Amino acid sequence: QKEVEQDPGPLSVPEGAIVSLNCTYSNSAFQYFMWYRQYSRKGPELLMYTYSSGNKEDGRFTAQVDKSSKYISLFIRDSQPSDSATYLCAMSPGSNYKLTFGKGTLLTVNP
Amino acid sequence: DVKVTQSSRYLVKRTGEKVFLECVQDMDHENMFWYRQDPGLGLRLIYFSYDVKMKEKGDIPEGYSVSREKKERFSLILESASTNQTSMYLCASSRPDRGHEQYFGPGTRLTVT
Repeated sequence: QKEVEQDPGPLSVPEGAIVSLNCTYSNSAFQYFMWYRQYSRKGPELLMYTYSSGNKEDGRFTAQVDKSSKYISLFIRDSQPSDSATYLCAMSPGSNYKLTFGKGTLLTVNP
Repeated sequence: DVKVTQSSRYLVKRTGEKVFLECVQDMDHENMFWYRQDPGLGLRLIYFSYDVKMKEKGDIPEGYSVSREKKERFSLILESASTNQTSMYLCASSRPDRGHEQYFGPGTRLTVT
């Protein structure tokens, strides 16, 4: 079993839809859970992170962590064409450990 | 504005050549990383460094080496390039107290023919 599993998609939705992106993991030591966004021909950039369990909201984006199920999610409300990108989940056991990335989900939001 | 720069966006090299990929960050970050990104395989860590002159192997170090002589600069070296090293190479940096927040460069698309 891979440490982090992420459905690669691709996922195509109409503008305004609610998008749900998910990752599962096997390492119970993970404490930091991140979502990176990568536009085409660019490097990834940190979108949101959560420490331990719970939810975190930032504008149209909500990150959820369920440590009991080893499952994390990113929700995008009122999706926009500018949200079209690859979304990578990443995790680590602590603040100064290497990150373990999912393979990324390619999202396209159609106008 | 924080910045990680990589020496080339596109590079074409021949099999057997020695290849240098350079990465420079202007954020005074202690940590620096080299990844490769391939379709279907995602981001894989090649090498990382927590300080000048220090280096640690990542998940796929075979065929690569690194050099970190100055805090701001981290170089990836392919001693003898092979076609299976054709890939997108991404450099990143972070602060040790915010290791979850990595800043990435734009990437170098390397083609080995």
